[in-house]
Parts: sequence; structure tokens; C-alpha cells
Amino acid sequence: DAKTTQPNSMESNEEEPVHLPCNHSTISGTDYIHWYRQLPSQGPEYVIHGLTSNVNNRMASLAIAEDRKSSTLILHRATLRDAAVYYCILGSTNSGYALNFGKGTSLLVTP
Amino acid sequence: GAGVSQSPRYKVAKRGQDVALRCDPISGHVSLFWYQQALGQGPEFLTYFQNEAQLDKSGLPSDRFFAERPEGSVSTLKIQRTQQEDSAVYLCASSLRQGPIYGYTFGSGTRLTVV
Repeated sequence: DAKTTQPNSMESNEEEPVHLPCNHSTISGTDYIHWYRQLPSQGPEYVIHGLTSNVNNRMASLAIAEDRKSSTLILHRATLRDAAVYYCILGSTNSGYALNFGKGTSLLVTP
Repeated sequence: GAGVSQSPRYKVAKRGQDVALRCDPISGHVSLFWYQQALGQGPEFLTYFQNEAQLDKSGLPSDRFFAERPEGSVSTLKIQRTQQEDSAVYLCASSLRQGPIYGYTFGSGTRLTVV
């Protein structure tokens, strides 16, 4: 399985943009890049996913490098409720259906 | 319901006791997954169902773990003769169809503590 590398933790000020990086140098052509987040005492929550092009939704934006070996999840204005562990995961219908979570990035948001 | 429902929310079991954890997926969701999350770690895959068929149980840590989904909706994860290393949060997720591109909806989990 293709692996991802994320920083263990990051810190941001409230109402500032946050850029969460993810490296996936062994990504295959059929792998989608998925982001989930997990708030304390809750199950993971889908954030966004993409294949090649940048993606935007109401929660976040996903910027994918041209060579697809890295990506960045962008939270445009962090709020205290965005404090969570963010997981970057690769997956495709070809490689199976189980999401392989790593340890993720723990995001701390300070007022 | 609107989301994935898991019960009980918390379970304390004495070592050696059998436990059963329930998952009610989103109505109509074909795929159902169980994950185990130890403290400070990311969720680890246990098993996967497509409707009532258990297509992958490669993540089950031992033969004490058993999962079923007899009618293709509600699923139960059973752990026999619980041990302290079984203490973890057990998460259930469902998806409309097979494949990670459809997005998974997770429940809040059952926190199992074995004493």
C-alpha cells in the first residue's frame, strides 16, 4: 500500500488559514487522496478527496502537486472547532476498500 | 437514521468476559467496516462487509474476534474471552457503495475497557 507522511502536530491561530501538508511519493495512478479528520471523542469525519485537480468544498480546499507526490489540505479560516487530528489517506477501488489511517496531524487552534 | 449509530457507547468488561458491539449503518449503505483504535493511534482496519457477505476479515487480530451482518444492515462485532489488550475504541463505518471514493461515514464508536 502506498504510504503517506504527515507532521505529527501543527498549531494555528484562530481565523488564520491553515495549510496541512502530506507527502505521498509512492502514489499510484489510480490512488485518490482522501482527507478525514477526527475530533476528540468522535469517529473520523470525511473532509475532502481528489485525484489530480485541486478541489474545493464547504469545509476545505485540497491542493495537489502536479506530480501528485504531495498535497496540502487548506482550511481557509481556522476556528476552535477545527482542532482535530487530520488524516491524509491514499485509496482507490483497485487497491481495495479499507482506509489505512496513519497517525495523522494533530492540529491545535489557539484563540 | 441520519448517521451511523453504535451501541453501547461505553463498555467495561472483566477479563475473560464475552462482549457484543452493535453497529446500525446508514440505511441503504451497502458497505460496512469495523475499525479498532488504540489510544493515541489512528484507526486500524478489522473487517469489511458488502451487504451480508464478509469479504475481508484480514484485520481481525485473533479468532476471538467475530463479526456478522446477517441481513445486510445491522452488524455485530463479538469479542470472546476479552483480554486487556482488547481495550480500545471500536469504530463502525458505512458507505453507499464499495470503494473509498464514495466516502465513509463513521459512528462515534464504542469505548471498550477490559479490567
